[in-house]
Amino acid sequence: EAQVTQNPRYLITVTGKKLTVTCSQNMNHEYMSWYRQDPGLGLRQIYYSMNVEVTDKGDVPEGYKVSRKEKRNFPLILESPSPNQTSLYFCASRQQTATNEKLFFGSGTQLSVL
Amino acid sequence: GDSVTQMEGPVTLSEEAFLTINCTYTATGYPSLFWYVQYPGEGLQLLLKATKADDKGSNKGFEATYRKETTSFHLEKGSVQVSDSAVYFCALSRQGGSEKLVFGKGTKLTVNP
Repeated sequence: EAQVTQNPRYLITVTGKKLTVTCSQNMNHEYMSWYRQDPGLGLRQIYYSMNVEVTDKGDVPEGYKVSRKEKRNFPLILESPSPNQTSLYFCASRQQTATNEKLFFGSGTQLSVL
Repeated sequence: GDSVTQMEGPVTLSEEAFLTINCTYTATGYPSLFWYVQYPGEGLQLLLKATKADDKGSNKGFEATYRKETTSFHLEKGSVQVSDSAVYFCALSRQGGSEKLVFGKGTKLTVNP
């Protein structure tokens, strides 16, 4: 089954403790992206990657890092989490053909930073 | 900068009612426009898209027309079902594709039997 898998589904941590949210897709997509969803603000893009070893900032990259060492994985790294990073995070990958494209989203990771 | 404004929710309708969710945008150039749907407990799914003025996107009975003169991309459905209850997001892409999407805040729709 084609899918984007995020782990963990829920995470509670404390300020300053490094964490990684993993994202993996099994569709051989080149493009992947991370978003955060906050009440009243909607979805905002954190980072995206056009291909292996190619990453770029979205609208809210501060406090986050990403890496794209292989096509299927695109982890989101919080080196020193802070309470304002408490949010619902979504990873996505894109299927692109000559005439159409479609974003596939993971089920989300609910992060709470205390 | 580029932005998307959606009508405030929540929206509550009875089954078989007509649905309109307004979406307007501010952007330079000619962005692509999208509607995504998020069902409870799930990620987002692309509902429909339009890439140029006067294009109409459609899927699952939903439609939206890219109106450059009014910078709008309103979502419509003639007869909603309980299964359409979800959060709907309007979005634009400055680069034609979905590399850098700018989302609206979302509109929650509840359809009652």
